[in-house]
Amino acid sequence: QVQLVESGGGVVQPGRSLRLSCAASGFSFSTFGMHWVRQAPGKGLEWVAVISFDGNNMYYADSVRGRFTISRDNSRNTLFLQMISLRADDTAVYYCAKLGERDTLDMWGQGTMVTVSS
Amino acid sequence: SYELTQPPSVSVSPGQTARITCSGDALPKKYAYWYQQKSGQAPVLVMYEDTKRPSGIPERFSGSSSGTMATLTISGAQVEDEADYYCYSADSSGNQRVFGGGTKLTVL
Repeated sequence: QVQLVESGGGVVQPGRSLRLSCAASGFSFSTFGMHWVRQAPGKGLEWVAVISFDGNNMYYADSVRGRFTISRDNSRNTLFLQMISLRADDTAVYYCAKLGERDTLDMWGQGTMVTVSS
Repeated sequence: SYELTQPPSVSVSPGQTARITCSGDALPKKYAYWYQQKSGQAPVLVMYEDTKRPSGIPERFSGSSSGTMATLTISGAQVEDEADYYCYSADSSGNQRVFGGGTKLTVL
């Protein structure tokens, strides 16, 4: 079954850290780039970061650069998002998405909720 | 940082044509993509590379792009097309991606 399953969300205090995971199955994970996209409650989609298939190239949104790190473990078919210095405006559902052909986001997980609150 | 601009809302009656626009300075050189998101669900790709429709997307969905504006057109909109629609593209470097602010389509 082709799917992406995010985990690791929860409630965290401002300034603390959190690591999200995205477990991939049903496709050749190591041959596709991957994205993180987030959506604050009642708001629109916001692109967060992308990583190449081999993990050698990463790019970030201005809003998270320097605080978030995208990485992957192709031996475990897993994508990560390490988040530090979390702020209230990082509160969102975080989706992982597969980079498909023609630069599409052709598969999405169901998301994991991150709430930054004291 | 790069931005894509969409109207917050579009409203049509069933059977009418809905047009959702997306403007961005890099669109003359970068493709636009469109995602549909229904309430409580993950987004779904409905258009890619300005004008191409993924398999499984109804023919009433079409796309176009001219200059700094891309448009998603739904010809003969159906009630089931009610959703939020997001355009998506890359900045001029091709490294950063961006979503538009989203357009809520109401069909009633």
